[in-house]
Amino acid sequence: DAGVIQSPRHEVTEMGQEVTLRCKPISGHNSLFWYRQTMMRGLELLIYFNNNVPIDDSGMPEDRFSAKMPNASFSTLKIQPSEPRDSAVYFCASSSMTSGSDRWAFFGQGTRLTVV
Amino acid sequence: DQQVKQNSPSLSVQEGRISILNCDYTNSMFDYFLWYKKYPAEGPTFLISISSIKDKNEDGRFTVFLNKSAKHLSLHIVPSQPGDSAVYFCAARGSNYQLIWGAGTKLIIKP
Repeated sequence: DAGVIQSPRHEVTEMGQEVTLRCKPISGHNSLFWYRQTMMRGLELLIYFNNNVPIDDSGMPEDRFSAKMPNASFSTLKIQPSEPRDSAVYFCASSSMTSGSDRWAFFGQGTRLTVV
Repeated sequence: DQQVKQNSPSLSVQEGRISILNCDYTNSMFDYFLWYKKYPAEGPTFLISISSIKDKNEDGRFTVFLNKSAKHLSLHIVPSQPGDSAVYFCAARGSNYQLIWGAGTKLIIKP
């Protein structure tokens, strides 16, 4: 398996523009997580899905952020409009509820977002 | 309110010596604790875990100790190697299988 795949790896955009980050989880995993990493706050959980259904979005900072999971193999995180303070590395992770090592989250390589 | 805290932003250790990374938590309902390792420009990767019903778990050079009464866990790496230089995140699993993360500790192994 190729692991969790995120795209793009880097994104530079102007303030006010819409940004869409994409994630393909590991096949067979039924949980998907979006995280944001910043120097100030470390790794923050934004939202997570179980079986394509959003379970907890309390970490989503504002209404400018939205996430969807239309099917088991794809999720998006959208920021509209983007602001400079959204600059961070955004990670997607997936996991399985079964026992064994798959119950722990596997992370993608992240998308480094810079809003200028 | 941080439920999982890693109070040392960085740690420098001589190659061959023991590295000890610490983590404190506040919620006694966490059922698993995990350590992840992160290299620059990569996502975190799972390193080792421990159930809340145990006090020690060992995997090769890595050992995690859990002190429930003190709500404290630690990761020991011995002997430390240059490839261990990375950021280490402590995480705890709470309700709904959510992972609550510490801010990370940057470990630097000096040759």
